[in-house]
Amino acid sequence: EAGVAQSPRYKIIEKRQSVAFWCNPISGHATLYWYQQILGQGPKLLIQFQNNGVVDDSQLPKDRFSAERLKGVDSTLKIQPAKLEDSAVYLCASSPRDRTGGANVLTFGAGSRLTVL
Amino acid sequence: AQSVTQLGSHVSVSEGALVLLRCNYSSSVPPYLFWYVQYPNQGLQLLLKYTTGATLVKGINGFEAEFKKSETSFHLTKPSAHMSDAAEYFCAVSSWGAQKLVFGQGTRLTINP
Repeated sequence: EAGVAQSPRYKIIEKRQSVAFWCNPISGHATLYWYQQILGQGPKLLIQFQNNGVVDDSQLPKDRFSAERLKGVDSTLKIQPAKLEDSAVYLCASSPRDRTGGANVLTFGAGSRLTVL
Repeated sequence: AQSVTQLGSHVSVSEGALVLLRCNYSSSVPPYLFWYVQYPNQGLQLLLKYTTGATLVKGINGFEAEFKKSETSFHLTKPSAHMSDAAEYFCAVSSWGAQKLVFGQGTRLTINP
């Protein structure tokens, strides 16, 4: 099966500019996650979707970050305006509908590396 | 709240030597535990997971991990390191109903020839 697709792989922008990342999950996967991975740290969950509904966005900086998954398939993550501290790899992951109570395995994309100058 | 602590941000071993990567977790409910590996410029790939049952879990590439409730640990081991094992390793915790993974800060494994 095809994996989780993400684009762009790399993006360099100036602070206060905007950027958008796109993710296409594995076909049929109901749950989609966006994680932020800052250099030297583990991934941190930004937002989780179940189909096109938000399950958890408690750690999403809503003043500058937004995400949508309009048709319950692909998703976009937007940052506007970007700050220096947003430099990170943005990982998208997907998993099947959770029938295991939390033991689902996440499949990750290769990530989108953002550098904010 | 759940959390994970990985002891040692960088571990270096010789080729053929034992690999031991340490992970301790905090969870008020029975945990589900995972180890993921990340190669340069790639996404995370599942090595193994523990949910219930046998506490010694075998994964891909010869890795295994043992869930020790009394020590709140889930250390990752491999008897003999290969050069191809050089990567970043992440321990993660979830639980029934939690629906999300909480990751540790990662351990970078270097293999010396």
